[in-house]
Amino acid sequence: DAKTTQPPSMDCAEGRAANLPCNHSTISGNEYVYWYRQIHSQGPQYIIHGLKNNETNEMASLIITEDRKSSTLILPHATLRDTAVYYCIVRPPWGSGNTGKLIFGQGTTLQVKP
Amino acid sequence: NAGVTQTPKFQVLKTGQSMTLQCAQDMNHEYMSWYRQDPGMGLRLIHYSVGAGITDQGEVPNGYNVSRSTTEDFPLRLLSAAPSQTSVYFCASSYPTSGRRSEQFFGPGTRLTVL
Repeated sequence: DAKTTQPPSMDCAEGRAANLPCNHSTISGNEYVYWYRQIHSQGPQYIIHGLKNNETNEMASLIITEDRKSSTLILPHATLRDTAVYYCIVRPPWGSGNTGKLIFGQGTTLQVKP
Repeated sequence: NAGVTQTPKFQVLKTGQSMTLQCAQDMNHEYMSWYRQDPGMGLRLIHYSVGAGITDQGEVPNGYNVSRSTTEDFPLRLLSAAPSQTSVYFCASSYPTSGRRSEQFFGPGTRLTVL
């Protein structure tokens, strides 16, 4: 399984965009990049995922570099409720020995400040 | 939809006791799994199931049993509780796919303390 590297913590001003980086230099060609977050000991919450192309949904945008060795999660207008631990996870597709396991590293603690 | 539900929310056990953590989902997901999260750590996979009657071990299965008799339910049984099993336990479910609708849904967790 590809490993990911994230900064341990980041701050962001409320209303500003939060840009959370993730390095995954050993990612394989068919592995997906997933982002989850965990707000204060609640169950993790899915945010977004992608393979090669940039993705956007109602929560965030995911920018994956062309070589796929890194990605950035963008929360366009961070609010205090976005304060959480954000996890970047690389996962192989189903049907390729994937057990569905999500490997959670230490993540990035994002603190949104007023 | 209620999503993924877990009971109980909190539990205190004495060393050697056994108990079952309940997990249920109403989204007709084939895939279900159990994770534990120790303080300041990421989640680690205990057991998982890709459908009724099918279960397999994750990375930290020792001391735990699971069964999957229905699509909806995936209980986790602690055979003989030990202080090292003090943790927060999360259940998750998803469709076994990689494209859209592949996200895993997590329950609110069960906070277990073993004395």
